[in-house]
Amino acid sequence: EVQLVESGGGSVPPGGSLRVSCVVSGFSFSTSGMSWVRQAPGKGLEWVSSINGHGDDTYYADSVKGRFSISRDNSKNTLYLQMNSLRVEDTAVYYCAKATVPVGAFDIWGQGTMVTVSS
Amino acid sequence: EIVLTQSPATLSSSPGERATLSCRASQSVSSNLAWYQQKPGQAPRLLIYDATTRATGIPARFSGIGSGTDFTLTITSLEPEDFAVYYCQQRSKWPLYGFGQGTKLEIK
Repeated sequence: EVQLVESGGGSVPPGGSLRVSCVVSGFSFSTSGMSWVRQAPGKGLEWVSSINGHGDDTYYADSVKGRFSISRDNSKNTLYLQMNSLRVEDTAVYYCAKATVPVGAFDIWGQGTMVTVSS
Repeated sequence: EIVLTQSPATLSSSPGERATLSCRASQSVSSNLAWYQQKPGQAPRLLIYDATTRATGIPARFSGIGSGTDFTLTITSLEPEDFAVYYCQQRSKWPLYGFGQGTKLEIK
């Protein structure tokens, strides 16, 4: 069964750090581009970051560049998002998603993990 | 930066009717356009990619057309489970990906 399971969400004060993870199963993780997409409460979808299968090509939205870092461990079938200098506006459900082949859309999504930034 | 604008913001329809949702890009995205359905408390579900190709398992009542800047998602003969929020999404050089603001399809 194809599955993406996020974890690591929680509540953190502004300026704090958090790392969320996404464990995948049921497909070839090491050859799949992966991304993080977030959704603030009651709002739309926002692309956050993407990484290629090898982990040597990464991309970030302007809103998180310099604060967030995407990485992957192909030996553990796990995707990560390290979030530093968190802001109130980073509060959202964070979804990991698999890129289609060829890359262009997201065909498999996790259930999401909630990150709340609040004092 | 490419911006996607979806219309209408809310569409009220009845089961059995046809629904037409629009997505317009501020500049050409060629055919790099996808559509998603999202229900409350759930992750988005890919419906259409490459503007016209249905994703695996998506019923034939969902269809997409368009290229360049104007795209349409059509749902023929609405089923009760089709009432949800729909997002379009583009892939380009920058930003790598972008989403429209969504269209809420509600029961009339």
